[in-house]
Amino acid sequence: GQNIDQPTEMTATEGAIVQINCTYQTSGFNGLFWYQQHAGEAPTFLSYNVLDGLEEKGRFSSFLSRSKGYSYLLLKELQMKDSASYLCAFRNTGGFKTIFGAGTRLFVKA
Amino acid sequence: DVKVTQSSRYLVKRTGEKVFLECVQDMDHENMFWYRQDPGLGLRLIYFSYDVKMKEKGDIPEGYSVSREKKERFSLILESASTNQTSMYLCASSPYRDPHGYTFGSGTRLTVV
Repeated sequence: GQNIDQPTEMTATEGAIVQINCTYQTSGFNGLFWYQQHAGEAPTFLSYNVLDGLEEKGRFSSFLSRSKGYSYLLLKELQMKDSASYLCAFRNTGGFKTIFGAGTRLFVKA
Repeated sequence: DVKVTQSSRYLVKRTGEKVFLECVQDMDHENMFWYRQDPGLGLRLIYFSYDVKMKEKGDIPEGYSVSREKKERFSLILESASTNQTSMYLCASSPYRDPHGYTFGSGTRLTVV
């Protein structure tokens, strides 16, 4: 079957670093995505990993280990505006379907 | 600025009504998708389309149908609305096999009473 898990909520302090973990199970993997979703808004694309390793994009980095079915999103120098839900998602082979996790709500406190 | 536009931000409909949710994208994307988002369940795929007049069932198609008569427009139809279809509905589009993920519309919050 297919499954994707991530923590429900996390809290971190402004200026700090936070790591949001995601584990997945699937028989056919073709890439892992992270999206950011502010309350009441649409998800917006953050990152994409298809090969193992770390992809860095400004304050955000995403890591993938295909053998472990594991990914994380790393947010550095946290800002209040980073308070949002972060959705982990993988795409199946065939390329059309993306399976989303329930999301991790991140609260950034002063 | 590229966009996916959903026709309504909020809708309230009565049980048994036929409901149309419209989605239009201006990016010439091949793929279009309808998801619903519920607390604790995340986004669940209802239907998707990878070409005009083509449609494929997602994970929860029961009670829904879709129409894609033009490349830019993908409509979701609730044949007979029920209270368990109260949800946030999100439309998304993507180019064929693009690694940059989906562009989402701003969502339609549907309440069925």
